[in-house]
Amino acid sequence: QQQVKQSPQSLIVQKGGISIINCAYENTAFDYFPWYQQFPGKGPALLIAIRPDVSEKKEGRFTISFNKSAKQFSLHIMDSQPGDSATYFCAASRTSGTYKYIFGTGTRLKVLA
Amino acid sequence: NAGVTQTPKFQVLKTGQSMTLQCAQDMNHNSMYWYRQDPGMGLRLIYYSASEGTTDKGEVPNGYNVSRLNKREFSLRLESAAPSQTSVYFCASRREGDISNYGYTFGSGTRLTVV
Repeated sequence: QQQVKQSPQSLIVQKGGISIINCAYENTAFDYFPWYQQFPGKGPALLIAIRPDVSEKKEGRFTISFNKSAKQFSLHIMDSQPGDSATYFCAASRTSGTYKYIFGTGTRLKVLA
Repeated sequence: NAGVTQTPKFQVLKTGQSMTLQCAQDMNHNSMYWYRQDPGMGLRLIYYSASEGTTDKGEVPNGYNVSRLNKREFSLRLESAAPSQTSVYFCASRREGDISNYGYTFGSGTRLTVV
């Protein structure tokens, strides 16, 4: 009930292509779904997040698509750039009480120049 | 710059040694968290603190203790280090009650090796 399953583990995309990373959750009480970006040697940094009252959220080249009935959400990176090469983590949480993130296992993205 | 500061950045311990990882934030956040990151396993919560004076176990608390010294500082202690505790440790914080931002702010991590 507490797991967040993330796929793929690694992804190689050509410059200018679309990168897609998928996550699935089990706990229907989760109501906050962030994506974090982590560069080598750094801590994760919040990239974009969505609440379940919307099906899509876009910030620049980054879009989250959310499917509440399927309990799935995904990150789309449009026009992928070499500078996007990083590890991406999805997470899920409740926003009531003292909530704690449950993280996916991460996706290592490499964008080829 | 404002943020979450972790010390040390790197540490090598011998099995059975003890050490304390330090974390401090200057954003006036209420909640603080300790995670460990291992290859293929994502980030797993060790302990968290909702406010000064309170701490609670996360997913993987065994072998660790924590202290919320004040609102700014949250330390993680390994009493008797084991090779299985070799990992990268991240501290994070968040302002409770901020409905405009549920995101965590992470520190840059402590890379710990136990030999």
